[in-house]
Amino acid sequence: KNEVEQSPQNLTAQEGEFITINCSYSVGISALHWLQQHPGGGIVSLFMLSSGKKKHGRLIATINIQEKHSSLHITASHPRDSAVYICAGLNQFYFGTGTSLTVIP
Amino acid sequence: DGGITQSPKYLFRKEGQNVTLSCEQNLNHDAMYWYRQDPGQGLRLIYYSQIVNDFQKGDIAEGYSVSREKKESFPLTVTSAQKNPTAFYLCATRVLGGNQPQHFGDGTRLSIL
Repeated sequence: KNEVEQSPQNLTAQEGEFITINCSYSVGISALHWLQQHPGGGIVSLFMLSSGKKKHGRLIATINIQEKHSSLHITASHPRDSAVYICAGLNQFYFGTGTSLTVIP
Repeated sequence: DGGITQSPKYLFRKEGQNVTLSCEQNLNHDAMYWYRQDPGQGLRLIYYSQIVNDFQKGDIAEGYSVSREKKESFPLTVTSAQKNPTAFYLCATRVLGGNQPQHFGDGTRLSIL
C-alpha cells in the first residue's frame, strides 16, 4: 500500500467545471506539497501547506492534518490546466501516483 | 536566472554502458535529490544529499551512484548493474529547515537500446 494515495487517477472535465483532486496519506507529515507536471515532464510547485487553506488564482488547496487528507480544487477549469497533479509529503520521500487531468474545450 | 539545469533532456545508451546524468543548480540550495519516474508510479527516491561530500541512499539506490563534490552539482550515474534503467529521471533541490518546498528540474528521459 502506497503511503500517499490520490483519487481519482484520471479525470476528464469540460472547460469551466469545478475540479477536486483528493490526497490521503498514512504517514506522519508536517506539511503537504501539491505539484503540477506538464506533458513535457517538468514539475512545478503549486502549494506547500501544513494547515487550513491556501489560494492562488483559480487553485485552492486545503489540508486536514488530523484526518490526514488534502484536496486540490480548480475553479473554472481551462484546457491549460491539463496536467498531472501530484501530492507529496514534506520530507519529499512519499509521493502519490498522480492524477491525470484533461480539460476539454 | 536561478534554476535547476538537467542535461541532456533525452539520452540513449546501449545496454551494458554506464551513463551519467547531470544536475546543476544556482539556487544555493543545500539539499539535492534524484528521483526516478515510471508510468503509473509515483516518484521514487534514488539518492539525496544534504551537504557537500555526503549523500544517502533512497528506496531504489541499487545500480546507481552519485557524487556531491560541490554544492551546485549532483550528477547521477546509471550503471550497467541497474536492471531496468529506461525511465524519466528528475533532479530536485531544497532549502533545509522549515516547510520549504522542493524545486524540480525539467528531467532527463533515458532510453536503453
